[in-house]
Amino acid sequence: QSALTQPPSASGSPGQSVTLSCTGSSSDIGAYNYVSWYQQHPGKAPKLVIYEVNKRPSGVPDRFFGSKFGNTASLTVSGLQGDDEAAYYCSSYAGTNNGVVFGGGTKLTVL
Amino acid sequence: QVQLQQWAAGPLKPSETLSLTCEVYGGSFGAYYWSWIRQSPGKGLEWIGEINDRGTVYYNPSLDSRVTISVDTSRSQFSMRLTSVTAADTAVYYCARGRYYYDHSYLYWGQGTLVTVSS
Repeated sequence: QSALTQPPSASGSPGQSVTLSCTGSSSDIGAYNYVSWYQQHPGKAPKLVIYEVNKRPSGVPDRFFGSKFGNTASLTVSGLQGDDEAAYYCSSYAGTNNGVVFGGGTKLTVL
Repeated sequence: QVQLQQWAAGPLKPSETLSLTCEVYGGSFGAYYWSWIRQSPGKGLEWIGEINDRGTVYYNPSLDSRVTISVDTSRSQFSMRLTSVTAADTAVYYCARGRYYYDHSYLYWGQGTLVTVSS
């Protein structure tokens, strides 16, 4: 069982927006602004799309938006495209004793 | 361009020891923490642990008793050993690096190594 809770699936039509949630605790998401989101296509390594709650690495389009409120983080993908269909994982730093915790992932389907 | 190269691992039997190595190309090896992350088939990601160039390590508490991560700065390599493996340790193992020193948003990943534990 993963430390962070993500819904197993989500879907949206091309052009629409979808928001994925990630719920943790006061020991991880609630304690640090070190929430990351990863996109993973089948058979590939994860790709970082959001770091430090709401920052995008170079090359990641601004259609990806991250936010956090309390112990819950969210990733919003707007203007859905076919290539956005993938699994999305959240993670949070949880201190030196616990390191990094991940969510179980959300499979995003573009209808 | 930073690249992390992992080697393939052979099949393991229960109770054996898993050993993996990651070699780093490009960038400054000594300026970062280096991490291992695994993904069980059809499951989510699990952080295993991390090490810096001075050998400071942090482990996932759930694996602490069985895992050892080490570093060889002369070869720009870091390695992990996991003892007493069981079928539950079957996973794709990734090495990874954050964006800067002691950063835990993993920008660089190895290609992954599938490790199968079966009797």
